[in-house]
Formats: sequence, structure tokens, C-alpha cells
Amino acid sequence: RKEVEQDPGPFNVPEGATVAFNCTYSNSASQSFFWYRQDCRKEPKLLMSVYSSGNEDGRFTAQLNRASQYISLLIRDSKLSDSATYLCVVSAGGATNKLIFGTGTLLAVQP
Amino acid sequence: DVKVTQSSRYLVKRTGEKVFLECVQDMDHENMFWYRQDPGLGLRLIYFSYDVKMKEKGDIPEGYSVSREKKERFSLILESASTNQTSMYLCASSFPGQAAFFGQGTRLTVV
Repeated sequence: RKEVEQDPGPFNVPEGATVAFNCTYSNSASQSFFWYRQDCRKEPKLLMSVYSSGNEDGRFTAQLNRASQYISLLIRDSKLSDSATYLCVVSAGGATNKLIFGTGTLLAVQP
Repeated sequence: DVKVTQSSRYLVKRTGEKVFLECVQDMDHENMFWYRQDPGLGLRLIYFSYDVKMKEKGDIPEGYSVSREKKERFSLILESASTNQTSMYLCASSFPGQAAFFGQGTRLTVV
């Protein structure tokens, strides 16, 4: 089983739609969780951290479910500019606590 | 702002050459990473370093080595470049368990 799993998509949605991505992780010792966004032929950039209580940043909401070991990202009122790949990232825990990346979910927002 | 700088954006090398990819970060991060990214395969970890002279193999270390003589610099070495190492190479750095910041990537072509 992969350490971090995401549905690769693509998710094709119309402008204005609400879209949700889920990500599951296998290491119960993981303590830190993030969503990254990657545009075509660019480097990944941090979108938001994910906190235990859930957190919101404008149209974006991130949730963490430790019991079921999954995190989610909800995008409301999708814009064309939201089209990108969204990467789920989980810390490995332990002394070095390196980051483990999912393979990403491709979102295409259609006009 | 965190800055992670990779020495080249584009590189073309011949089969069999020894290739050095350099990465420098200016945030005193302990952790540094080298990934490669290929279409449909997501980010794959090659090597990870958690301190000066300390390294850990990632998922695909074969054909690569790394060097971290100073905290700010993490080098990826292709001992004898092969065509299947044509890829986008991404360097990142972070504090343990915290969000990682990426360089702009190096697109390497081996001919």
C-alpha cells in the first residue's frame, strides 16, 4: 500500500462548481499535513497546511480525520485559475520527519 | 521569503557523462530533498538529507548519489547519465515536519 494515496483524476468541473479531493495516508505517526498546488511545468507550491480542527482559506477548506487517516480539500466556486494538480503531503513522523507526497489529483475547471 | 535555488533550469547531457545538479537554500533548513517528476508518476523521492553529511535513500536511488557538505547546499550526482534519467528534477527544503519549499526545477535531457 502506498504511504499517501490520491485519486489521480482528472476532475473536470464547470466554473462555479464545488469540488472535493480526498487523500489517505498509512502512517498513524504522521503529525503534519499539507496541500500543495502544482501548475503545469512549474514547481509545487504550498496551498495550505491542514490542522486537526480543520481550516479555511477563502474558497478553500481543508479537513483532517485522524481516526480514518484521511485528509480532504474542498474548493468552492471553482475558477478557471484553479486548474492545476493538487498534491497531498504527509509527514513521516520519527526523528527526521520527512515529507511524503501523493501523486496528485488533476483538476480542470471548464468555462 | 524562502529561497531554494537550483543551478540550472535546462540541461542537456550525453549518455555516460557524470552530471551534477546543485541546490542551495537560504533558510537554514535541516531537511533537503531531491525528487524527480515524470508524467503520470508524480514526485518520486530520490534522496533525502536531514543534516550535514546525513542522507537517506528515497524510493528510486539507483544511479544517483548525493552530497551535503554544507547545510545550505545539497547536490545530486548522476554517476553515469542514461537516457532513462531524462526527467524534471526538483529540490526542496524544510524544517523537520514543516512545509517544504521547492526550487524551480531542472529539466534534464540525456541524449
